[in-house]
Amino acid sequence: EVLSVESGGGLVQPGGSLRLSCVVSGLSFKTYWMTWVRLAPGKGLEWVANIKDDGSATNYVDSVKGRFTISRDNAKNSLYLQMNSLRVEDTAIYYCARDRRPAQYLGLNYWGPGTLVTVSS
Amino acid sequence: EIMMTQSPLSLPVTPGEPASISCRSSQSLLHDNGYNYLDWYLQRPGQSPQLLIYLASTRASGVPDRFNGSGSGTDFSLKISRAEAEDVGVFYCMQALQTPRTFGQGTKVEIK
Repeated sequence: EVLSVESGGGLVQPGGSLRLSCVVSGLSFKTYWMTWVRLAPGKGLEWVANIKDDGSATNYVDSVKGRFTISRDNAKNSLYLQMNSLRVEDTAIYYCARDRRPAQYLGLNYWGPGTLVTVSS
Repeated sequence: EIMMTQSPLSLPVTPGEPASISCRSSQSLLHDNGYNYLDWYLQRPGQSPQLLIYLASTRASGVPDRFNGSGSGTDFSLKISRAEAEDVGVFYCMQALQTPRTFGQGTKVEIK
């Protein structure tokens, strides 16, 4: 069984930082791209960032470029999202999900339960 | 950035009856490999999103066969052949052809 579990969320003031983590078990983590998606209160799903299987490539939505950094540690089956210069509009539940293989797309699957980030003064 | 537009945004369904959601993209999602990079997800109340359909028409493992995806290019649809009470939630389409990936606004399905 594949399990993804996010952690690291919490309450932070505007301008502050948080580091989210996602630990994945039950699949060959190092062979998949991984993705972060968020759900803000009263809004729809928003794709945030993804990272290549070996960590050599990353992509971001424009609203987080320069502020967020996605990374991974394949030895620990772990995905990270370093969030700096946080804004009120970053308040959301953050989910990690398994993304594609380099030559095979299978959808975003095995979503974690999410971790809540609240940016407020 | 590819824009995704879903309709309707709210959909009351009757158990046992069919239902359909439309999704349009601002540019073609057809890749050179012949696949359309369009997914469907369902987020039930209080739960994480769940993958239903990928590459426009391939059902994810464990997804009931009452869910069917179709379409090509810029026009796609998700059809539920016989709605059930557990289908309540918000359905999203998402394009996976380019980054940033983009979702539709979501279609909230409720039982009549």
